Amino acid sequence: ETGVTQTPRHLVMGMTNKKSLKCEQHLGHNAMYWYKQSAKKPLELMFVYNFKEQTENNSVPSRFSPECPNSSHLFLHLHTLQPEDSALYLCASSQDAKNIQYFGAGTRLSVL
Amino acid sequence: EDQVTQSPEALRLQEGESSSLNCSYTVSGLRGLFWYRQDPGKGPEFLFTLYSAGEEKEKERLKATLTKKESFLHITAPKPEDSATYLCAVLGENTGKLIFGQGTTLQVKP
Repeated sequence: ETGVTQTPRHLVMGMTNKKSLKCEQHLGHNAMYWYKQSAKKPLELMFVYNFKEQTENNSVPSRFSPECPNSSHLFLHLHTLQPEDSALYLCASSQDAKNIQYFGAGTRLSVL
Repeated sequence: EDQVTQSPEALRLQEGESSSLNCSYTVSGLRGLFWYRQDPGKGPEFLFTLYSAGEEKEKERLKATLTKKESFLHITAPKPEDSATYLCAVLGENTGKLIFGQGTTLQVKP
């Protein structure tokens, strides 16, 4: 285990559903990230939180809403998603925003 | 704009057949180049960080090297358990964001 835990591991949702992805890190890090990984494409950075403050929103549609209540927890709230949003969503953490990032196992999301 | 290109996209080797993976990059002020390994259904696992040209790092059968334009991941006498996708990423001073390549999927056959 890397010290970054993501739940659920798999999620199937309809386009009208609302769901949330959860990430928890046990490494004492101060920065947390959400990435999207689609087949045959590089990892895409979505959001960055540094000391609980959002420092990066990489032009992500508003149907994705992040929340970082403390340095150990990160959520990604999902609503009215599209089929093209189906992907592996990865959470990562690092000591600070310019250090080695450690990843969780990801949530495999399927939007029907 | 920071960019990372990995080649080949896929590589098949026989067990014991050494080879190299390439990561070419352009970045404004390199803060670090990172190699990760990703197994199917799992998140990327950190392998190495390289910070300056000429630097080398080793771990078991893997050795990473860095020049001003590219990095190589050399795999010596690979085993089937080395089969995975290897990801390269750069952290630039200007953007402060980790930019990933598409990865090289390695298959080692016994």
